[in-house]
Amino acid sequence: EIVLTQSPATLSLSPGDRATLSCGASQSVTSTYLAWYQQKPGLAPRLLVYDASSRATGIPDRFSGSGSGTDFTLTISRLEPEDFAVYYCQQYGNSPFTFGGGTKVDIK
Amino acid sequence: QVQLQESGPGLVKPSETLSLTCTVSGGSFSGYYWSWIRQPPGKGLEYIGHIYSTGSTNYNPSLKGRFTISVDTSKNQFSLRLSSVTAADTAVYYCAGGRFLEWLPFDPWGQGTLVTVSS
Repeated sequence: EIVLTQSPATLSLSPGDRATLSCGASQSVTSTYLAWYQQKPGLAPRLLVYDASSRATGIPDRFSGSGSGTDFTLTISRLEPEDFAVYYCQQYGNSPFTFGGGTKVDIK
Repeated sequence: QVQLQESGPGLVKPSETLSLTCTVSGGSFSGYYWSWIRQPPGKGLEYIGHIYSTGSTNYNPSLKGRFTISVDTSKNQFSLRLSSVTAADTAVYYCAGGRFLEWLPFDPWGQGTLVTVSS
């Protein structure tokens, strides 16, 4: 099983700041099958990025994903008020699929 | 646009069996793999397993074989059964789908249903 470790656990920033979230894998993720999701309280997760760097339909271009192998990053170039939420990475290249523990982006 | 809706009891007694169903509408049922994910209150996401329209399944081995996922293509539904529930199984249960041919991750998701295990 691939273990995904997200850091930091909490990121305290202000609107307009740049956010950099990390996701480390215990072994190489097959074919960069790495996704990022955003979850707000009481709602289901929303897919932001798939295949490590492809934005999902309707996702603003301030969200970008990068990385390969065991190290992946989600960058939010300028935080908007609606971006304060919890973010999860997930690998879907190896069975069982696994999620990281999440990074909470909250308002400083 | 594909939409998912979970249904099932919100309260289950310890040691009983939990059954949930996810109904898919608005798209190609066979074009997706279908999954269950759960989230205990205040915690992160846990992948339970997924099923293809053929009935082939994959499960999270860390959940020790208590889960069964099945599919009914005639109704565009798939289901989850969890036997011998305990308080640790209290969670929001989500169904989700991923595009099969392109091998994409979970999108769309259902809204989730809270299942509480309590006597």
